Amino acid sequence: SQTIHQWPATLVQPVGSPLSLECTVEGTSNPNLYWYRQAAGRGLQLLFYSVGIGQISSEVPQNLSASRPQDRQFILSSKKLLLSDSGFYLCAWSKLAGELFFGEGSRLTVL
Amino acid sequence: AQTVTQSQPEMSVQEAETVTLSCTYDTSENNYYLFWYKQPPSRQMILVIRQEAYKQQNATENRFSVNFQKAAKSFSLKISDSQLGDTAMYFCAFMKHMAGANNLFFGTGTRLTVIP
Repeated sequence: SQTIHQWPATLVQPVGSPLSLECTVEGTSNPNLYWYRQAAGRGLQLLFYSVGIGQISSEVPQNLSASRPQDRQFILSSKKLLLSDSGFYLCAWSKLAGELFFGEGSRLTVL
Repeated sequence: AQTVTQSQPEMSVQEAETVTLSCTYDTSENNYYLFWYKQPPSRQMILVIRQEAYKQQNATENRFSVNFQKAAKSFSLKISDSQLGDTAMYFCAFMKHMAGANNLFFGTGTRLTVIP
């Protein structure tokens, strides 16, 4: 069966510090990978998606970037965090025409 | 642009009773998918049920069923025999294909509390 893991689960970082959230998928190959952000009391917003190694598409301009160094690894990064980057970040995977399956989420607090 | 609207920020239901969560969406697409996701306090998003727009028959998954009205662009979720474990945020989502991947457009969610 397929599983998806992301870490860290919780992160508290000062403004201006770097960020790296990691996500890995097991039990499938060539998945589509996604990063979503959920602001407090709101739905999810797609940040990045990837259909293959090294292929990243951004949905909204922001202070964040994403990379896919391996088939089943997806990384969300920032060089300098802003207060507005605080939120709950969810990684997800899907096959081409299927539903998305989400990881456990990472809560980021920028102070 | 696709939008998904959940007009009920909070709802409550007695244990063992039935509750219906509302969702409407706006799209010019003809082929798409609709989903209900559940987000318990653990915060992980869990798929509850899915509906393909080309299917007229409403999807059912154990105690969960939907009322899909394509012309009205309505997609409500009915939870029968509510259980305490159903307490969670419920998100309605519309999926559209894009350049080999999928994008889910989420509503703002309905917080459901099951009362013992």
